[in-house]
Amino acid sequence: DAKTTQPTSMDCAEGRAANLPCNHSTISGNEYVYWYRQIHSQGPQYIIHGLKNNETNEMASLIITEDRKSSTLILPHATLRDTAVYYCIRRGGLLTGGGNKLTFGTGTQLKVEL
Amino acid sequence: DVKVTQSSRYLVKRTGEKVFLECVQDMDHENMFWYRQDPGLGLRLIYFSYDVKMKEKGDIPEGYSVSREKKERFSLILESASTNQTSMYLCASSFGGTGGPNTEAFFGQGTRLTVV
Repeated sequence: DAKTTQPTSMDCAEGRAANLPCNHSTISGNEYVYWYRQIHSQGPQYIIHGLKNNETNEMASLIITEDRKSSTLILPHATLRDTAVYYCIRRGGLLTGGGNKLTFGTGTQLKVEL
Repeated sequence: DVKVTQSSRYLVKRTGEKVFLECVQDMDHENMFWYRQDPGLGLRLIYFSYDVKMKEKGDIPEGYSVSREKKERFSLILESASTNQTSMYLCASSFGGTGGPNTEAFFGQGTRLTVV
């Protein structure tokens, strides 16, 4: 069972960058790091994923360490609407038929405050 | 716009009843998932299907069964509902197959089931 470790909760001031860490020290070479978030009372929403290079999209940036044992999701200018639970997930990069399960941990509750 | 639709947002059932939770996706995805979410425990995978009539147990399948008769529909069945199955249930889907790039999963809005 693929495991990641995240802090239970974090606070961030509105307008500041939110940096959410994730430890995945046993990640294998063909596994990507995916990030999802879940705003209260909604289903999880995909944010970003990466293998070893840093990635950026309109929602966030993903920084993966050179040894790939950890990563950080960065929300550059957090707003109150970014308050959510953020999940870091390991997942194979290629489809493998019956092996494409998506396993979540307990995530990090990010609270963005004024 | 991609969509995963769960048949009910809120449901109240009695102990011992047979309960069906329905999920439909319009993206022609091969993979479909059922999760339950409880405070402090995060999302836990109940069952997973990677093709029509194919199913695989997740981490907590006990007390549940599933049905995938058509590609777009994945049903979760509680054969005899119990109070400890009171939870938020989430359905998801994603592309499947073999060899291509793995892609994101899309989630429904969830069904909050209360068993009394």
